Amino acid sequence: QVQLQQSGAELAKPGTSVKLSCKASGYTFTSYYIYWVKQRPGQGLEWIGYIYPGNGGTYYSEKFKGKATFTADTSSSTAYMLLGSLTPEDSAYYFCARDYYDGTYYYWYFDFWGPGTMVTVSS
Amino acid sequence: DIMLTQSPATLSVTPGESISLSCRASQSISTNLHWYQQKPNESPRVLIKYASQTISGIPSRFSGSGSGTDFTLNINRVEPEDFSVYYCQQSNSWPLTFGSGTKLEIK
Repeated sequence: QVQLQQSGAELAKPGTSVKLSCKASGYTFTSYYIYWVKQRPGQGLEWIGYIYPGNGGTYYSEKFKGKATFTADTSSSTAYMLLGSLTPEDSAYYFCARDYYDGTYYYWYFDFWGPGTMVTVSS
Repeated sequence: DIMLTQSPATLSVTPGESISLSCRASQSISTNLHWYQQKPNESPRVLIKYASQTISGIPSRFSGSGSGTDFTLNINRVEPEDFSVYYCQQSNSWPLTFGSGTKLEIK
């Protein structure tokens, strides 16, 4: 079955970086887009961008350019998001999610989600 | 960016009632609109794709309608497990965006 396993909670100091992971299983990793979504406690969902592990292509929402960097390791079926120059406003849950793909078309909605990683930025 | 406005922000209902949640887009997005449910301390799950298309495994009491700028998620006879937050998401253009959510709570 499809699973997205995310790394554990992070406590980081302002100005530093954290690298979150999202390990995929149960499907062909290189054929599906992986999205990243931010959710501050008690708040709504915010789309950060995507990576396509098949060719490493990425897209970032304007707000997260310079903040987030996506990479993928096809040998381990793992996607990563590096968050840099952390501030308290980066404290949030970060979800990875998979795009729905029927073998021909991509549908640009999220059919499987990871459990999320909580990032806390505090001095 | 396309803005999605959900209303109401909070809806208080009694189990067994039938309800409608609204999502309005800042410009026409055809039927490129999807609905998610998020329970406390869980990841979201998709309920409806492309405004009205059903998702395998989702109870039939959930349905969607609309096109252009106005969309509705309907829940026929709310069950106790339906009390959670509902989000809409558009896939008409990049960046993908979400609405701010509607919290469905028990009256």
